[in-house]
Amino acid sequence: ILNVEQSPQSLHVQEGDSTNFTCSFPSSNFYALHWYRWETAKSPEALFVMTLNGDEKKKGRISATLNTKEGYSYLYIKGSQPEDSATYLCAFIGGTYKYIFGTGTRLKVLA
Amino acid sequence: DADVTQTPRNRITKTGKRIMLECSQTKGHDRMYWYRQDPGLGLRLIYYSFDVKDINKGEISDGYSVSRQAQAKFSLSLESAIPNQTALYFCATSETSGRPYEQYFGPGTRLTVT
Repeated sequence: ILNVEQSPQSLHVQEGDSTNFTCSFPSSNFYALHWYRWETAKSPEALFVMTLNGDEKKKGRISATLNTKEGYSYLYIKGSQPEDSATYLCAFIGGTYKYIFGTGTRLKVLA
Repeated sequence: DADVTQTPRNRITKTGKRIMLECSQTKGHDRMYWYRQDPGLGLRLIYYSFDVKDINKGEISDGYSVSRQAQAKFSLSLESAIPNQTALYFCATSETSGRPYEQYFGPGTRLTVT
């Protein structure tokens, strides 16, 4: 069974703080790594699709890096705002094209 | 209008009843997926379909069956519902062509089995 782990499970930060969290995944048979943002009472929405070792993606204040050789990805949020509060999911896609999701990191940004 | 829709949005049913959850999409995607979400466990794949004639089991398919009636429709059935199938169920779609495109999720169906 392939394991995708995210840490921390949850965190609270103050508005304006920068934060980051980790997604760990199998380093073999890698095809892609996705990050999703999941707001309460809504559906997950894709943030980034990452496929190459060393990939760096950015969308506004949110960015992500990828290390496929050691099996991890970091998601960074610079200057957190209350509207960034959500659960951030990563999904590992291996050679069989099945998406394996981590359990997510729940972020709460305090005003 | 939403690109991926699910019906019903909420359902309460009794143990032993048969129930069907439906998913429709207007995105024109070939690939469709059913997930369940339980607190602390994230999204777990139940079944997935890469086209109308290709259906595959995910990691937790026991107790479930699916039907891909058309490119746009993918239904999930619980033949005899049990309380531990109480969960939030999501349908998702993605493009084909071999690239690992992102998934688009429906709004979810909250199912309670009493």
